[in-house]
Amino acid sequence: SQQGEEDPQALSIQEGENATMNCSYKTSINNLQWYRQNSGRGLVHLILIRSNEREKHSGRLRVTLDTSKKSSSLLITASRAADTASYFCATDAMFSGGYNKLIFGAGTRLAVHP
Amino acid sequence: NAGVTQTPKFQVLKTGQSMTLQCAQDMNHEYMSWYRQDPGMGLRLIHYSVGAGITDQGEVPNGYNVSRSTTEDFPLRLLSAAPSQTSVYFCASSFLGSRGGANSPLHFGNGTRLTVT
Repeated sequence: SQQGEEDPQALSIQEGENATMNCSYKTSINNLQWYRQNSGRGLVHLILIRSNEREKHSGRLRVTLDTSKKSSSLLITASRAADTASYFCATDAMFSGGYNKLIFGAGTRLAVHP
Repeated sequence: NAGVTQTPKFQVLKTGQSMTLQCAQDMNHEYMSWYRQDPGMGLRLIHYSVGAGITDQGEVPNGYNVSRSTTEDFPLRLLSAAPSQTSVYFCASSFLGSRGGANSPLHFGNGTRLTVT
């Protein structure tokens, strides 16, 4: 079963508006990561937030983490048409080999209209 | 820097055929992994490796084999393709953190789009 679930599944906004995507997960984590995927391409890492951090910024991106609610949010401020992509959260999960692995959610499809 | 290179980009197989999806990285990453991406399902981990000679299963390993003879290469083999294996396959690599690849950002290839008829 998937560890992380994004909400909403799809989001359509106008250029200049802010976009907020949410991620909920089921079990305790060491860190949570956000990735972006442009159509037909591989995923690109955006930001990693550790379980002892509450907020992290990178340019126009702001990520928050609430471990008590097992949730995270990704905020893109002043969105641009070039931000149109799918966004995924990924959380670590322990596997039998003793190594933590990244488990991805189904993603949020963001469309930014000029 | 090439990063993570996947070949081929596209492949069509008939049911029962076998093939190998290639993945190579030039970043000296210890950790390499294969994911499949299906509509509405996100990415699901197939197999992973934490170094040459060490591989393990992910969430959906059935029907796939892997091996890791070098740090750079991590091929994925389909022994007898089935229509259920129609998907987009991504290879990803990273440095190995203190508890495995989940502590480091993954670098992805651009995918192999596989259709099994």
